[in-house]
Amino acid sequence: DGGITQSPKYLFRKEGQNVTLSCEQNLNHDAMYWYRQDPGQGLRLIYYSQIVNDFQKGDIAEGYSVSREKKESFPLTVTSAQKNPTAFYLCASGPGGSSYEQYFGPGTRLTVT
Amino acid sequence: AQSVTQLGSHVSVSEGALVLLRCNYSSSVPPYLFWYVQYPNQGLQLLLKYTTGATLVKGINGFEAEFKKSETSFHLTKPSAHMSDAAEYFCAVSIGDMRFGAGTRLTVKP
Repeated sequence: DGGITQSPKYLFRKEGQNVTLSCEQNLNHDAMYWYRQDPGQGLRLIYYSQIVNDFQKGDIAEGYSVSREKKESFPLTVTSAQKNPTAFYLCASGPGGSSYEQYFGPGTRLTVT
Repeated sequence: AQSVTQLGSHVSVSEGALVLLRCNYSSSVPPYLFWYVQYPNQGLQLLLKYTTGATLVKGINGFEAEFKKSETSFHLTKPSAHMSDAAEYFCAVSIGDMRFGAGTRLTVKP
């Protein structure tokens, strides 16, 4: 069954702790993306990767880190440096290239208190 | 750089009425355009996309959109709203990277 999985669905952390969000895809897509979604602001790109062992910062990369050691996996770490980490995080993948759609995972809702 | 503006953060229609969600884009080159739908606490699902060719694009669930270059628009329509259409809708433009609008929340009244 092909698709993108994100885990966990809900995540709670104390302020000052780093937390890693998982994203796995079995669609054989080259490109993977992380977005942050806040009410009324649409989706904002955090990081993206077009190939294994390479990734680029998006619009709001500060306070986040990623790795792309395997084609299938693109974990996102929310560090303590992120000033306002509570949000809904969406992972996506795609063949890469402007004309192609992105396929989204179900999202992880992170709450930091 | 490309950008997307969705006119109206909330749209409310009666069941059976026409759905019209507006999207205007800004791009210096011919864009690729997409509409996605998001149900509460879920990821985004592609409704339809325009790349090249026919400017009227049909998608899933009875939705369609028309690319109008002269108006830099890509409005989403559905002739008859169903209760299950209640969701948030995002327009996106892609040139290099994908840019999303702020979203329009559609409410369908019985």
